Amino acid sequence: GNSVTQMEGPVTLSEEAFLTINCTYTATGYPSLFWYVQYPGEGLQLLLKATKADDKGSNKGFEATYRKETTSFHLEKGSVQVSDSAVYFCALTLWQKVTFGTGTKLQVIP
Amino acid sequence: NAGVTQTPKFQVLKTGQSMTLQCAQDMNHEYMSWYRQDPGMGLRLIHYSVGAGITDQGEVPNGYNVSRSTTEDFPLRLLSAAPSQTSVYFCASNSRAVSSGQPQHFGDGTRLSIL
Repeated sequence: GNSVTQMEGPVTLSEEAFLTINCTYTATGYPSLFWYVQYPGEGLQLLLKATKADDKGSNKGFEATYRKETTSFHLEKGSVQVSDSAVYFCALTLWQKVTFGTGTKLQVIP
Repeated sequence: NAGVTQTPKFQVLKTGQSMTLQCAQDMNHEYMSWYRQDPGMGLRLIHYSVGAGITDQGEVPNGYNVSRSTTEDFPLRLLSAAPSQTSVYFCASNSRAVSSGQPQHFGDGTRLSIL
């Protein structure tokens, strides 16, 4: 079956630090890839997506590139803010099935 | 601009009780799904629907029932609550098949505790 593996958290960074959250996947086919963000007490919100190999998704300073050769979709941001503190989920979709990673909690301290 | 609305936000049940978690969306989305979120396990798909009158099982369907009589509503029923069903439940909807690259829209969740 399909699977998504994310780096374990929590990740604690100082404000303005560089962020990388690793995500790799296995899938029988050509999935679309997503990053979702979950703020405390809320549901998941789409952060960015990529639907085919070499696509780069970007939003709010976050970026991720769909790498078919390494089956990866790592999330990066050049300078994190306290307001970025949340749980980040990598996900893949194939047909109507969505597979989520276990989530990575990010805490940004001033 | 309601989006996906889940009720209730919190619920405490005793083992063996039944209840229905409500989910409604006002975006005319065909596709709706129910997930449960447990620590260290991410989100797991319980049931999903590709349109009114059509439902299918996800990864962890046991102990749950769903129906889809209208486009807007997709209730999740716990038939006989068990402590293992203590979790946070999320409903999601999307306008087209997720394989098309369309994102899902999530409700704010229902926190359910089974004693």
